[in-house]
Amino acid sequence: AQSVSQHNHHVILSEAASLELGCNYSYGGTVNLFWYVQYPGQHLQLLLKYFSGDPLVKGIKGFEAEFIKSKFSFNLRKPSVQWSDTAEYFCAVIIYGNNRLAFGKGNQVVVIP
Amino acid sequence: EAGVTQFPSHSVIEKGQTVTLRCDPISGHDNLYWYRRVMGKEIKFLLHFVKESKQDESGMPNNRFLAERTGGTYSTLKVQPAELEDSGVYFCASSRASGSVYEQYFGPGTRLTVT
Repeated sequence: AQSVSQHNHHVILSEAASLELGCNYSYGGTVNLFWYVQYPGQHLQLLLKYFSGDPLVKGIKGFEAEFIKSKFSFNLRKPSVQWSDTAEYFCAVIIYGNNRLAFGKGNQVVVIP
Repeated sequence: EAGVTQFPSHSVIEKGQTVTLRCDPISGHDNLYWYRRVMGKEIKFLLHFVKESKQDESGMPNNRFLAERTGGTYSTLKVQPAELEDSGVYFCASSRASGSVYEQYFGPGTRLTVT
């Protein structure tokens, strides 16, 4: 079945540590890729997106993600996290020509001051 | 600019009862989406409106769920009769137009608990 996979659903790390969250998808063909974030008590909001071009995408708050087509992956990274990065992070895919976001299960990230 | 709003924020109902969730999209956004997150699972697409028309309702779980968007403004999602497995967070999102290039803006969600 077509799906979006996120591993390590609960991540705990200290401030200044580096963060990498994996995302793999199983859809063939052209896809558009997204990372959404939900901070405690807030709405889901877009962190970054990839449609085409440079596979290294930079988003808000120092986050970046790399699209590796051969690996069907779109991993999210931040070199040095802050306490305010505590949130749930969701990888999502839209198949080209579609409008439906297909989400992974999310990564709950807790940053300890 | 006001964001996507949803009402109520929480609802607790008994199995067999009816619940209606409301979503007000961002003004001027023709596209409206409903998603659901059952506890422990991923957020799943339910359906997509373009103005008042259902563009894609492939994610609706069964005929106990009815979504409407009369007049192409706000939308309602009715669950009748509710079952235990309907518990979860129901998200609404809106976008200015169709196509993945247009960001979907999410509301805060309605947490539905069926007891």
